[in-house]
Amino acid sequence: QLQLQESGPGLVKASETLSLTCTVAGGSISNADYFWGWIRQPPGKGLEWIASIYYKGNTYYNLSLKSRVTISIDTSKNQFSLKLSSVTAADTAVYYCGRLGSFFRLVDYWGQGTLVTVSS
Amino acid sequence: QSALTQPASVSGSPGQWITISCTGTSSDVGGYNYVSWYQHHPGRAPKLIIYDVSNRPSGVSNRFSGSKSGNTASLTISGLQTEDEADYYCNSYTSSSTMVFGGGTKVTVL
Repeated sequence: QLQLQESGPGLVKASETLSLTCTVAGGSISNADYFWGWIRQPPGKGLEWIASIYYKGNTYYNLSLKSRVTISIDTSKNQFSLKLSSVTAADTAVYYCGRLGSFFRLVDYWGQGTLVTVSS
Repeated sequence: QSALTQPASVSGSPGQWITISCTGTSSDVGGYNYVSWYQHHPGRAPKLIIYDVSNRPSGVSNRFSGSKSGNTASLTISGLQTEDEADYYCNSYTSSSTMVFGGGTKVTVL
């Protein structure tokens, strides 16, 4: 059974960089059939796709966040990561990592989610 | 990329059926059969219930069904049960090689 687990600081200061890592267990992050991605949900709001990555390093970004986001992958550790720079209170959210199908047609496995709060 | 449009809330009595719409454009919902739906109970991870417009993953109840006409996709829940009370989100692949979610619909079982 595939499992994904987010890790990283739960509190980040405004203007600094948010960094999260997703560790994949029970399967290989190098599986050619899937992509990997980050999705967030601000308090009281809906889901928002942030970015996705393929095991070969191909990256895809939400255009509204692209200037501040970097997604990366480490196949040797079966992990992928998210960096979001210059954070503000609007970046406070539960951040989920997930496994995506081709054409991002589905997110079939999700991490439990981690709350990141941006403090002033 | 604007969020797909969903009604904020839909309600129904136990045993009834409800439909949630998800409206996009020809650059997302209308252009590809890559629409998925997610059930989200607060405090839990979202759960995939429909993919490729109308396919159900293994283990998902057949009370959930999906369809699409033009730029609008729909999720129907039949035989409504109290456990179906949750938020529901649609999602689509886009012509920009990105994905976009709907704003979410809160389903209330009366």
